[in-house]
Amino acid sequence: NAGVTQTPKFRVLKTGQSMTLLCAQDMNHEYMYWYRQDPGMGLRLIHYSVGEGTTAKGEVPDGYNVSRLKKQNFLLGLESAAPSQTSVYFCASSPDRGSRSNQPQHFGDGTRLSIL
Amino acid sequence: AQKITQTQPGMFVQEKEAVTLDCTYDTSDPSYGLFWYKQPSSGEMIFLIYQGSYDQQNATEGRYSLNFQKARKSANLVISASQLGDSAMYFCAMREDRGSTLGRLYFGRGTQLTVWP
Repeated sequence: NAGVTQTPKFRVLKTGQSMTLLCAQDMNHEYMYWYRQDPGMGLRLIHYSVGEGTTAKGEVPDGYNVSRLKKQNFLLGLESAAPSQTSVYFCASSPDRGSRSNQPQHFGDGTRLSIL
Repeated sequence: AQKITQTQPGMFVQEKEAVTLDCTYDTSDPSYGLFWYKQPSSGEMIFLIYQGSYDQQNATEGRYSLNFQKARKSANLVISASQLGDSAMYFCAMREDRGSTLGRLYFGRGTQLTVWP
């Protein structure tokens, strides 16, 4: 009963390094999202996907890229990490667009990323 | 403009008492959903309760209820009989059902609730 799994849970990078965060869900959800959480800011949407092979920009997409090659996986990439990208990253998934649906987004446990 | 406003950065409540966490929202979409999530110190996001804009009754889930006042655009979370384990950050979120960003949630900045014995 894994739900949404994020790897890694913690990572420290140096400025300019690249890395990929992996999100995997086993609930056959169509929609997947990447958020970042910063102190006092709540969660802000980085990128999202409405299905395999599709991605779109959210509220704060600069400096990030994403891919959804398989329905169950949603990857978030940092090409050249910057200290401003130090944050907690959450992946979430949901089963449908949610028109009058009570289905919540299901979240992973988060990835703590520090950029030195 | 903020879609979700939580005006209480921190709240304190004594164990076994009830507490209300405020949330106001801003949307022109006639169809939307409102959600509350709990984030304990361990960091995970836990879904608590949902209210749809067309729901006639206020949502309830165990000790959680949502005081939905549509005309005032408020969706306050009420926790009855607080427990020490309720100490956490609480986020209000909204989904616009006809928005262009399918299914995305707009989050408030959160309210840190502390329950004391």
